[in-house]
Amino acid sequence: QVTLKESGPVLVKPTETLTLTCTVSGFSLSNARMGVSWIRQPPGKALEWLAHIFSNDEKSYSTSLKSRLTISKDTSKSQVVLTMTNMDPVDTATYYCARIHGGGTDFDYWGQGTLVTVSS
Amino acid sequence: QSVLTQPPSVSGAPGQRVTISCTGSSSNIGAGYDVHWYQQLPGTAPKLLIYGNSNRPSGVPDRFSGSKSGTSASLAITGLQAEDEADYYCQSYDSSLSGSLVFGGGTKLTVL
Repeated sequence: QVTLKESGPVLVKPTETLTLTCTVSGFSLSNARMGVSWIRQPPGKALEWLAHIFSNDEKSYSTSLKSRLTISKDTSKSQVVLTMTNMDPVDTATYYCARIHGGGTDFDYWGQGTLVTVSS
Repeated sequence: QSVLTQPPSVSGAPGQRVTISCTGSSSNIGAGYDVHWYQQLPGTAPKLLIYGNSNRPSGVPDRFSGSKSGTSASLAITGLQAEDEADYYCQSYDSSLSGSLVFGGGTKLTVL
């Protein structure tokens, strides 16, 4: 059974760095053609893709947020970590991690999401 | 402003057929990249509804279908049911944005 679960702070202050962890089960992050993305959704707004990490450790980032994002993985812990620097209230959103597999570009499994509020 | 354009809302009565469009450009849908569709029920995570333009994952009713032509794609829902009321998102890949995955702005489906 494939599952993904996000964890991290509920509240961060402006200018702080956000660190989110996605813990996966039911598959290995080292499996060929497997990858995990981070996606966010501000309240009442659309989904926005942030970053992706492939099984070979190749990474890709949203062009508009690239300077603030870092994605990494710890295969032994089955975790994918996203850091976002210089947080602002506009970054308030539900953050999801989701899986891509088989060389496609569709997200077949999603975590439940974690709401992060940016406020002083 | 999303890279993929969807109508903000559509509606239909139970039993009717509705379609949701997703318009892209020559760097995403028009370049041949696959389009995928997600259903997001209120307060829940998105769920994969259609992948690879027209394929349904196991468990998705055949009332849902997808198609693609040129720089656009469409999601059709037939035999509309109250439980279909949700937000729907299209998603693809865009080669002009350093290899980015992109979503549409979402469409709210209301079952009258």
